[in-house]
Amino acid sequence: GAGVSQTPSNKVTEKGKYVELRCDPISGHTALYWYRQSLGQGPEFLIYFQGTGAADDSGLPNDRFFAVRPEGSVSTLKIQRTERGDSAVYLCASSLRVVGAASGDNEQFFGPGTRLTVL
Amino acid sequence: GEDVEQSLFLSVREGDSSVINCTYTDSSSTYLYWYNQEPGAGLQLLTYIFSNMDMKQDQRLTVLLNKKDKHLSLRIADTQTGDSAIYFCAEAGAGSYQLTFGKGTKLSVIP
Repeated sequence: GAGVSQTPSNKVTEKGKYVELRCDPISGHTALYWYRQSLGQGPEFLIYFQGTGAADDSGLPNDRFFAVRPEGSVSTLKIQRTERGDSAVYLCASSLRVVGAASGDNEQFFGPGTRLTVL
Repeated sequence: GEDVEQSLFLSVREGDSSVINCTYTDSSSTYLYWYNQEPGAGLQLLTYIFSNMDMKQDQRLTVLLNKKDKHLSLRIADTQTGDSAIYFCAEAGAGSYQLTFGKGTKLSVIP
């Protein structure tokens, strides 16, 4: 079946603009995660959804970042007033259930990411 | 906060074994993972180990966990040029959904 897909694959924007990044999780996966990977770094957790609700948004760097998942499937990460420091690859992952649950349910499947460049 | 450390580079000859090491600080880590990332591709889960295990073998991959020293390693037997990628160690605490990743080890395989 299809894996996690993310669009666009690349996004170039100017400082101060608004961007939306989309994630389509694997069908039937109830948990969805956003991570950010800066150059030369490992991914850093941003936000986690269980169903439609954001169960943990503690990784969002500031209030310019917001994410939604209105129907419990597709998610959109929204960044307002973009800054050059927001440039990174934004990764989405989905899993059947929460990590830390029974081992067979906890694999996070990652999408290819959206490379965001803020000029 | 939690921290995961890895060496940044490893170079091996094709056919040799590769050993990638990782240390972590969170004593409540429950699951420890190895992912890899090929250029332009997404993260791929290779294997994981539960904290009550000290070894797990999966085909060419062997994971060793020393919980006392908080040290995790990934051994790749008979390394091939197709194994060239960045390898990430990650951990999740008990009941946690957040993966904490290391910076990744770039494995280069010399033909």
